[in-house]
Amino acid sequence: SQQGEEDPQALSIQEGENATMNCSYKTSINNLQWYRQNSGRGLVHLILIRSNEREKHSGRLRVTLDTSKKSSSLLITASRAADTASYFCATDVSGGYNKLIFGAGTRLAVHP
Amino acid sequence: NAGVTQTPKFRVLKTGQSMTLLCAQDMNHEYMYWYRQDPGMGLRLIHYSVGEGTTAKGEVPDGYNVSRLKKQNFLLGLESAAPSQTSVYFCASSPGRVIAGELFFGEGSRLTVL
Repeated sequence: SQQGEEDPQALSIQEGENATMNCSYKTSINNLQWYRQNSGRGLVHLILIRSNEREKHSGRLRVTLDTSKKSSSLLITASRAADTASYFCATDVSGGYNKLIFGAGTRLAVHP
Repeated sequence: NAGVTQTPKFRVLKTGQSMTLLCAQDMNHEYMYWYRQDPGMGLRLIHYSVGEGTTAKGEVPDGYNVSRLKKQNFLLGLESAAPSQTSVYFCASSPGRVIAGELFFGEGSRLTVL
């Protein structure tokens, strides 16, 4: 079973709107990462938030982490057509493992 | 700086054939990983390596073998390909443990098994 699950599976918005994607996970983590994947390409790292952090910003990205609810959200503000991609959360499993477990992703479409 | 390079990018196999996917990284990273990506399932870890000469199983290792004879290369082998192994395969590397930072991905290798 997968550690992380994103919600929604797909999101369609207009340019300039904000996009919010959520990620839930099952077990304790050390950190949570978000990745972006353009169609037919590899994944690119966006941001990492550690378990002792609650919020982190990077440009138009804002990530929150609620360890009590085992959930995270990725907010993209003032979206652009170039933000169209799939977004994945990934968690590392506490307890000595060195593996990132990925969710199934959210497909974001931003329309001009 | 090429980063993580995967070859080949596309391959079609018949059931029962064997093949090897090559991953090369030029960032001197200790850790390397092979994932597969299937529609609606995200990425699943096949095997990984924490250094030259070491390998370990991930979530879905059956039907695959790996080798890390050189630090910069991580090979993924399919001894007898099956249609269920039709997928997009991604190699990734990291300088240290994932607790410390991000993974760097290649562009993927699309494999079709007929």
